[in-house]
Amino acid sequence: GENVEQHPSTLSVQEGDSAVIKCTYSDSASNYFPWYKQELGKGPQLIIDIRSNVGEKKDQRIAVTLNKTAKHFSLHITETQPEDSAVYFCAASKSLVKTSYDKVIFGPGTSLSVIP
Amino acid sequence: DTGVSQDPRHKITKRGQNVTFRCDPISEHNRLYWYRQTLGQGPEFLTYFQNEAQLEKSRLLSDRFSAERPKGSFSTLEIQRTEQGDSAMYLCASSLGGSREQYFGPGTRLTVT
Repeated sequence: GENVEQHPSTLSVQEGDSAVIKCTYSDSASNYFPWYKQELGKGPQLIIDIRSNVGEKKDQRIAVTLNKTAKHFSLHITETQPEDSAVYFCAASKSLVKTSYDKVIFGPGTSLSVIP
Repeated sequence: DTGVSQDPRHKITKRGQNVTFRCDPISEHNRLYWYRQTLGQGPEFLTYFQNEAQLEKSRLLSDRFSAERPKGSFSTLEIQRTEQGDSAMYLCASSLGGSREQYFGPGTRLTVT
């Protein structure tokens, strides 16, 4: 069935270092890949996304890459800060034409800790 | 605040009771989604509305669950005869037609004792 895997499940980095989270997806029809950050007690917050016609996208300290052939995509955070500490979810999405429903499958999450 | 809002934020109920949650999407967002999130997992899709029409339902949505969006604005999710396995965070998200971005609310944490 449709599945998104995410690694690592936990990640600790020193402040100022980079963090990388990797995901793979199974459904080749997926064409939109959002990343969410979830802080304790809050809902997921969309931080960056990438579409299947783009290989890389950058927004300040965060960047995402997509390899459609391998069905891999990654999140890179540079110059990490303590406020980056949260759970990060990758997701793969496809649109169902009949209902315009964006079917989103989430990965299990990566708990990132940035140590001051 | 013009984001997605949910009410209540926390609900504790006894097994067998009915509960209802409310979601107010971002103004003018015509698409609304309900998800369920258990500890250590990503959100799982429950149901989808486009305006007032419920167009998609997950197999996770048993017949004890019902959702409505009567005027195409706010939505309610009701769980009848709650079970301990229903304990989870219930998240609502909204998006604008033509856009892929879904914006989540803060969630309602349900605890069934």
